[in-house]
Amino acid sequence: GQSLEQPSEVTAVEGAIVQINCTYQTSGFYGLSWYQQHDGGAPTFLSYNALDGLEETGRFSSFLSRSDSYGYLLLQELQMKDSASYFCAVRASGGSYIPTFGRGTSLIVHP
Amino acid sequence: EPEVTQTPSHQVTQMGQEVILRCVPISNHLYFYWYRQILGQKVEFLVSFYNNEISEKSEIFDDQFSVERPDGSNFTLKIRSTKLEDSAMYFCASTKTGLPVREQFFGPGTRLTVL
Repeated sequence: GQSLEQPSEVTAVEGAIVQINCTYQTSGFYGLSWYQQHDGGAPTFLSYNALDGLEETGRFSSFLSRSDSYGYLLLQELQMKDSASYFCAVRASGGSYIPTFGRGTSLIVHP
Repeated sequence: EPEVTQTPSHQVTQMGQEVILRCVPISNHLYFYWYRQILGQKVEFLVSFYNNEISEKSEIFDDQFSVERPDGSNFTLKIRSTKLEDSAMYFCASTKTGLPVREQFFGPGTRLTVL
């Protein structure tokens, strides 16, 4: 099976940088993705990593280390609107094409 | 920008009743999915659908559940006899590529409340 671990909650202040970690255990590996979900809203795709390294998309970056089975989402210049839940999702290679989601990290941004 | 739409936004039903949740995926997408999210918990996969048949389904997707693409635009999830534990947010999603880990587009969800 597959399992993912994320912190349940992270708090930070406006303008700061925050890192949300995700460790995973899979029988193989295809890719790691990140989603943002505001309260009562739908998950919105943020980023995807299949190879080691950093992917940057504006204020958000995502990092992957396959040897460590670890990734993180980095949010810079935090804004109040970034307060949301952030989910990592992983798909193991072979078999199912469906990603397994982590339990999510609730990010609270304070003024 | 094209988006996935879902109706209704909120459905309240009595235990044992049948419900149908409706979704209109993005028009040029070929792969469709249903997920559910119990309040405060993670998103869980239910079923994927391609070329008018189920591609994959999870253990949650038992005989009480069915999916259908009745026409060229709608994609429906039917729960035949609802149980209290079916109360959740149900999200439809679609992709062009069949690789949902890479990117998928979610609808706004239907909140199902079973009384």
